[in-house]
This record gives sequence, C-alpha cells and structure tokens, in this order.
Amino acid sequence: GAGVSQSPRYKVAKRGQDVALRCDPISGHVSLFWYQQALGQGPEFLTYFQNEAQLDKSGLPSDRFFAERPEGSVSTLKIQRTQQEDSAVYLCASSPLGTSGSRGNEQFFGPGTRLTVL
Amino acid sequence: KQEVTQIPAALSVPEGENLVLNCSFTDSAIYNLQWFRQDPGKGLTSLLLIQSSQREQTSGRLNASLDKSSGRSTLYIAASQPGDSATYLCAVRGNTDKLIFGTGTRLQVFP
Repeated sequence: GAGVSQSPRYKVAKRGQDVALRCDPISGHVSLFWYQQALGQGPEFLTYFQNEAQLDKSGLPSDRFFAERPEGSVSTLKIQRTQQEDSAVYLCASSPLGTSGSRGNEQFFGPGTRLTVL
Repeated sequence: KQEVTQIPAALSVPEGENLVLNCSFTDSAIYNLQWFRQDPGKGLTSLLLIQSSQREQTSGRLNASLDKSSGRSTLYIAASQPGDSATYLCAVRGNTDKLIFGTGTRLQVFP
C-alpha cells in the first residue's frame, strides 16, 4: 500500500516568508509525528498528534511553528516569518496505534521536505 | 534526559566485510529501539524494531541486538555490499511517543 507522502519535496523561501508543509500519513494510522533534521544530524522531535488531538508540541522551537491535523488524517506544519536557522529537512512519520497499548508502535517515515531559507 | 550516541560516526569498508555499528543510550527505561537507514536526500527506512523485552531481531543480512540494562544496541551487517552504503540511525522510544535519535553512522562500502 501507499506509504507516508510529503509535499512539497523541496521548498525555497526568502527570509520572512511563511511556508506550509503537508504530510499524508498511511491510511488509518492514528499517530502522526513531525521531526526536524538539520544537516549531518539525527532527526529531532517537533510535535505529535493522536487523531486530531495534538498531544505533545514540546519540540516546536518557537511560536513561529504551528501544526494541525483537523480531520485526523492529513497534517500541515506551518512556519511563519521563516529564518535561516529553519533550513532543514522536515520529516513526517505515522504509526498505526495511539498511545495506550502502543509499546511496540513502529513509526513509518515519509521522504521529507527540504526547506532552504535564503 | 535521554541521549543517544552512535559510534563510529563514519565507516568505510571493502565489499564482503562483516561490520558492527554501535548505539548507546543513557536512560534504560525504553519501550523499544528502532534502526533506520537513510540514503542521501531521502527519508528514513525502518530496518529493525526491537521491543524492550527482546534481545535481538534479524532480517536477512541484518541482526540487531539490545542490552537494555547496559544501554546498548548493535547492528550487525553480514557480507556488506556497495548497496549498503547509507547513513544508519538508531532511535529509542521511552514513555512518551517520540523517538530520540542518534546522529548516525555514515557507511561506505566500496567494491
């Protein structure tokens, strides 16, 4: 079946512009995660949804970052007034279960969106 | 705070060698550990998932072990091939749902 998809794959923004990154999780997956990966580093957690509820947003680096998943499927990560330090690959992952009983919950990743802020 | 470390940071080996990648974590209270492969400019491909109650998992030429009490995991790759060249990441999941990643081992297998 189809995996996690993300769009756009590449985005170039001028400093100060707003951007929106989209994630389509695997159909029926309850949990959705966003991660940020700087060049040469491992991914770092940004935020987590269980269905439409945002249960953890502790990794969002500033109030310029906002994520939503209004119908419990597609998610959008929005970055307002982009800065050069926002340049990174943004990865989305989904997993089939929610928090309870999910000890073995494997995460499946999309291809990422590479954001470059000039 | 959970910290994940991977050594070596980079590895270059001739084709056919067996090799071991190491991952260590500071908090042994994990639910599972996942090994991923990342090709340049691509997303993450899950290789193996080890539950906290398990000692190892195998898939083809890959074998991952977990020693939770000592905070260590190893990924063993048998008979390496040029197609194995990629960055290998390990990640642990604790009592929250997020994964904590290491910085990866960049592997190059040359013919």
